Amino acid sequence: DAGITQSPRHKVTETGTPVTLRCHQTENHRYMYWYRQDPGHGLRLIHYSYGVKDTDKGEVSDGYSVSRSKTEDFLLTLESATSSQTSVYFCATGQGLSEAFFGQGTRLTVV
Amino acid sequence: DQQVKQNSPSLSVQEGRISILNCDYTNSMFDYFLWYKKYPAEGPTFLISISSIKDKNEDGRFTVFLNKSAKHLSLHIVPSQPGDSAVYFCAASAQGGSEKLVFGKGTKLTVNP
Repeated sequence: DAGITQSPRHKVTETGTPVTLRCHQTENHRYMYWYRQDPGHGLRLIHYSYGVKDTDKGEVSDGYSVSRSKTEDFLLTLESATSSQTSVYFCATGQGLSEAFFGQGTRLTVV
Repeated sequence: DQQVKQNSPSLSVQEGRISILNCDYTNSMFDYFLWYKKYPAEGPTFLISISSIKDKNEDGRFTVFLNKSAKHLSLHIVPSQPGDSAVYFCAASAQGGSEKLVFGKGTKLTVNP
């Protein structure tokens, strides 16, 4: 268990509002990831980070931004939440790109 | 375009029998493969992996088989237990594991007592 904490664990927000999800790790892992899990789609990568201030897009990055100002924290921001962003969001960390330890997830509902 | 395919959304087996979960991939550059297990309301957890230099890797009741020519891997669970009921994700990476993981859509396994 890589010591990954996601907050909040559950959130309901209104369409058009900004939302920030936080991921905090205690393992000093270099890589951090944000995934979303949706029925019929499995786990899809939103954004990832390979170091402080170093981030890159994943396969479903539209409508999302990220920031990593410290090794231990990786923030995911929905700039203007839409109903299509209702999902379960998972943060993951790893020392290598092919290593992923997952947090417990954040269930986000956009109404 | 799915590079990692798990064509069976669900699988149901009896306790004590073998569970076989399948995964196909299309990218011939993939050379490192992993299986993750996910319980409801929890994050996925790593289960077992295999490198393309091997065709089999075993860990207790879990064995992963890799058929490179067919671009196919499978996870065998023997004997299956009710606690194995979960969603199983197949994932793949290229460049000896130095590339990002690509996940399949998952297969929900139900083991009936």
